[in-house]
Amino acid sequence: ETGVTQTPRHLVMGMTNKKSLKCEQHLGHNAMYWYKQSAKKPLELMFVYNFKEQTENNSVPSRFSPECPNSSHLFLHLHTLQPEDSALYLCASSPVSSGASTDTQYFGPGTRLTVL
Amino acid sequence: GNSVTQMEGPVTLSEEAFLTINCTYTATGYPSLFWYVQYPGEGLQLLLKATKADDKGSNKGFEATYRKETTSFHLEKGSVQVSDSAVYFCALSGYSGAGSYQLTFGKGTKLSVIP
Repeated sequence: ETGVTQTPRHLVMGMTNKKSLKCEQHLGHNAMYWYKQSAKKPLELMFVYNFKEQTENNSVPSRFSPECPNSSHLFLHLHTLQPEDSALYLCASSPVSSGASTDTQYFGPGTRLTVL
Repeated sequence: GNSVTQMEGPVTLSEEAFLTINCTYTATGYPSLFWYVQYPGEGLQLLLKATKADDKGSNKGFEATYRKETTSFHLEKGSVQVSDSAVYFCALSGYSGAGSYQLTFGKGTKLSVIP
């Protein structure tokens, strides 16, 4: 399998549930990203990992907990979410996050999350 | 801080019409500029990019020129097809000041091409 994959593609959860989103990249990159895409709003960067270390957390609520066990895998653990957290969650990867502005980020297909 | 402004959609065109989607930016330093495309039900794909002033990015008949003097990166295509129907995002890559480069996106422009 090539590129960036995400599972599950769709997820419906209640506000008291705990679930996890998974992202895997097969590009040999060292940086991985979580974005949130909501209707009518620009893409919001949530977290950045570079060589497995978190380098950016853009004021994301603690009910979102990222985990990066290695450079190929990235998880987003979800608990006690709110209905306004319903969105498309996109994962991306790039060679390194501190490399150059010219580096391209490659995106996965996203997980469509609905919080009831 | 960095910001990207692109024209609001939706844009509806007939097949073979000329397409322009305007994009302007505000940034410190010398950002790289990107156009990404999102087809229904999919993630974002890189369409083209330009990394310095006066560079022209091109792909699949789409073009955009990095204009530093007008801080613009407008997307154009001479003859659109139904298969071009998607949401188009303009983005810039700039240094975040915290050790990494970050993409800043516009809100996206939805294009619908009708036969």
